[in-house]
Amino acid sequence: DTAVSQTPKYLVTQMGNDKSIKCEQNLGHDTMYWYKQDSKKFLKIMFSYNNKELIINETVPNRFSPKSPDKAHLNLHINSLELGDSAVYFCASSQVGRHSPLHFGNGTRLTVT
Amino acid sequence: QKEVEQNSGPLSVPEGAIASLNCTYSDRGSQSFFWYRQYSGKSPELIMFIYSNGDKEDGRFTAQLNKASQYVSLLIRDSQPSDSATYLCAVNIAGYQKVTFGTGTKLQVIP
Repeated sequence: DTAVSQTPKYLVTQMGNDKSIKCEQNLGHDTMYWYKQDSKKFLKIMFSYNNKELIINETVPNRFSPKSPDKAHLNLHINSLELGDSAVYFCASSQVGRHSPLHFGNGTRLTVT
Repeated sequence: QKEVEQNSGPLSVPEGAIASLNCTYSDRGSQSFFWYRQYSGKSPELIMFIYSNGDKEDGRFTAQLNKASQYVSLLIRDSQPSDSATYLCAVNIAGYQKVTFGTGTKLQVIP
């Protein structure tokens, strides 16, 4: 009955590698997001998709490529990982509408060594 | 100027007291305001949202919004040690589906 689920929970990898994080929501929401939370706990939006269409791309390096095969899934692929990519990545979803709150997944802690 | 500003804290209050958390935002077109709680190592969870000027109460929590002053606050009455967490203020910027977060205020409730 998990609402927003993302995998893996932990990801440890070396610089230069490519990795993917997957996210799925069963809430019937139209909009999905990727947020990055750095070591200072600041949550910054990266991407937003509405019904499979990219609507927000917040000047994220093009090593990050989101993909939404359908409105219930949003994946994040990261090429050529760098030390600065180490963070917790949260997937979230919401209904369309300005008053709609975000529902977060449990996060993926990415550590690049 | 940051879009959403919060005092990082920590804010320490004794058990049973009222905790007052504050947030200011820069975009006058902001329409919806959210308070999330995040325990260490966990994901943010929604506590309350507000979009009209005034107060909104839910149990021990009261959200207050003053759009003229671009200010939103969260009051926690009868604070409990289990309320110790980081509280994130978030704002939905008008016009598009984008929720921007403040840096969060760490609350410590002392037994």
